[in-house]
Amino acid sequence: DAGVTQSPTHLIKTRGQQVTLRCSPKSGHDTVSWYQQALGQGPQFIFQYYEEEERQRGNFPDRFSGHQFPNYSSELNVNALLLGDSALYLCASSLGITGWSYGYTFGSGTRLTVV
Amino acid sequence: AQKVTQAQTEISVVEKEDVTLDCVYETRDTTYYLFWYKQPPSGELVFLIRRNSFDEQNEISGRYSWNFQKSTSSFNFTITASQVVDSAVYFCALNAGNNRKLIWGLGTSLAVNP
Repeated sequence: DAGVTQSPTHLIKTRGQQVTLRCSPKSGHDTVSWYQQALGQGPQFIFQYYEEEERQRGNFPDRFSGHQFPNYSSELNVNALLLGDSALYLCASSLGITGWSYGYTFGSGTRLTVV
Repeated sequence: AQKVTQAQTEISVVEKEDVTLDCVYETRDTTYYLFWYKQPPSGELVFLIRRNSFDEQNEISGRYSWNFQKSTSSFNFTITASQVVDSAVYFCALNAGNNRKLIWGLGTSLAVNP
């Protein structure tokens, strides 16, 4: 039973560039949430997708956008990268509109470094 | 406002010692959920437990136990007879209100030394 798969695992980008991170949820899960985790911090909620729609968004600027595909996989896009965007980006999947409240399944994350 | 405080930044113990990780939360909602997650060096957050605000029963799972006390807004986590494999960062998280996101503490880094 495949867990949450994220790609790539590591990424180095230059300030001002754009980046796309990808996530495949756990088999059977249909909801994807994205979190940003800066070094030494707890994760910060970016947004959640369910039925291909953004259902809730955290306090992140419009430079952060996402998409969910019919197969439930998801992408996180960040435009005009800033040094402060350097972090571990975690994808979490769950089942149904409230399944996340029973506990997410997380991927190992994508480590983004902006130079 | 919703907040989770994990006052212990780092804890270091010797194998087989018992260790308690503290978590204090703040919320005005009467319905909420509390979680503990483990983050090993690989980075993947592993779900350990979920508790809702109406269930104050303590829980034990093997060497792990959780003590939920609404009177002190605390949800503490104890590892009995710690092992080297328990070394990780442990996060306490809160969900409250009509909200889809988790509010996380800063985590406690636990090092279990042989």
